[in-house]
Amino acid sequence: AQSVTQPDIHITVSEGASLELRCNYSYGATPYLFWYVQSPGQGLQLLLKYFSGDTLVQGIKGFEAEFKRSQSSFNLRKPSVHWSDAAEYFCAVGDSGGGADGLTFGKGTHLIIQP
Amino acid sequence: ETGVTQTPRHLVMGMTNKKSLKCEQHLGHNAMYWYKQSAKKPLELMFVYNFKEQTENNSVPSRFSPECPNSSHLFLHLHTLQPEDSALYLCASSQDRGQGSNIQYFGAGTRLSVL
Repeated sequence: AQSVTQPDIHITVSEGASLELRCNYSYGATPYLFWYVQSPGQGLQLLLKYFSGDTLVQGIKGFEAEFKRSQSSFNLRKPSVHWSDAAEYFCAVGDSGGGADGLTFGKGTHLIIQP
Repeated sequence: ETGVTQTPRHLVMGMTNKKSLKCEQHLGHNAMYWYKQSAKKPLELMFVYNFKEQTENNSVPSRFSPECPNSSHLFLHLHTLQPEDSALYLCASSQDRGQGSNIQYFGAGTRLSVL
């Protein structure tokens, strides 16, 4: 069974500083990978996805993520965070084998932005 | 506007009540999903529907009863719930099922409190 680990429950970053959120997955083949963001009182919004090809993917709001097969990781990065980036971030895996329909999510990382 | 609308946004119910959650998607998708989001736990997939047919039930207790009258609407009927069922219930939709690459679009959720 696939699984996703987000090792950091909370991360605090100063506004304007760079950000990296970690995500490790467990899956037998090349997975489909997603990052979602959830603002307070809102649903999940897709930031970016990786299916195949270039391992560095660009998303919305200036985010990017890099797929590293050797490390089973899909870390999310942003060069300069804004106060509006404060939210909960979820990494998720989709079944590339077509066996399951839903996504498997990590527990999330709560991002706090310091002024 | 995510294209997926959930009502009500907040619901408080007693353990003997019967209530229903509603989800409507305006994206022309064929697959719809119910997820449960509890504090400190990953999002849990509950049910999947494709073209109104239930395709997945992740061992959800029978006190949760889904209904999908058409591809645009999804309900979750609740009865004799327990306090541990208090959570944020998220609805999502995607173009199709069967492959983990289908991007899921989420509603804002219904915050349920069971007293």
